[in-house]
Amino acid sequence: DIQMTQSPSTLSASVGDRVTITCRASQSISSWLAWYQQKPGKGPNLLIYKASSLERGVPSRFSGSGSGTEFTLTISSLQPDDFATYYCQQYNSYPYTFGQGTKLEIK
Amino acid sequence: EVHLVESGGGLVQPGGSLRLSCAASGFSFSAYWMNWVRQAPGKGLEWVASIKQGGSERYYVDSVKGRFTISRDNAKNSLYLQMNSLRAEDTAVYYCAGSGYDTGLFDYWGQGTLVTVSS
Repeated sequence: DIQMTQSPSTLSASVGDRVTITCRASQSISSWLAWYQQKPGKGPNLLIYKASSLERGVPSRFSGSGSGTEFTLTISSLQPDDFATYYCQQYNSYPYTFGQGTKLEIK
Repeated sequence: EVHLVESGGGLVQPGGSLRLSCAASGFSFSAYWMNWVRQAPGKGLEWVASIKQGGSERYYVDSVKGRFTISRDNAKNSLYLQMNSLRAEDTAVYYCAGSGYDTGLFDYWGQGTLVTVSS
């Protein structure tokens, strides 16, 4: 199985900050990587697919990059609505696997 | 507007069975791979099972193989998960998710239904 490792597990930041979350795959997944945002009590929402493609309706302050085994999610200027938990997920092969999550907290 | 509404969760004893349902609307259900993803309380996301558009292909995470069965009824725009021989570690919120762009990419998600396995 492909293991996905996110860092950091928790991130404290302020409105207006630029933040970056990293996701590493235990083997190459090409660009078959997605990022999701989840708020308490809700199902996740797709933000980024194929490593760097922005899902329609997602604000342009979100961006993704990387390929192979190293990926990043960047939020260019944090807004109050962005404080949530973020997950990366590989869909290169079964079983599909997620990172453990990064909780973005208000500093 | 896309809606995925899960139902059928609840409290069940270890070794028991439960059938989850997911009602879909607002998109072309029969054209989508469909999936179940779960989240144990306070934990991360875990993919559980996927089914192809016509139902000819099904995939499961190892921990549920032989116990869970994913199925669909395209005429009713509905997805199902039959869960047998339930264990405490199956306790989780179960989400229904649709894959439109790519197999394994979860474009649409429901709000989830809680399954609690406890005596």
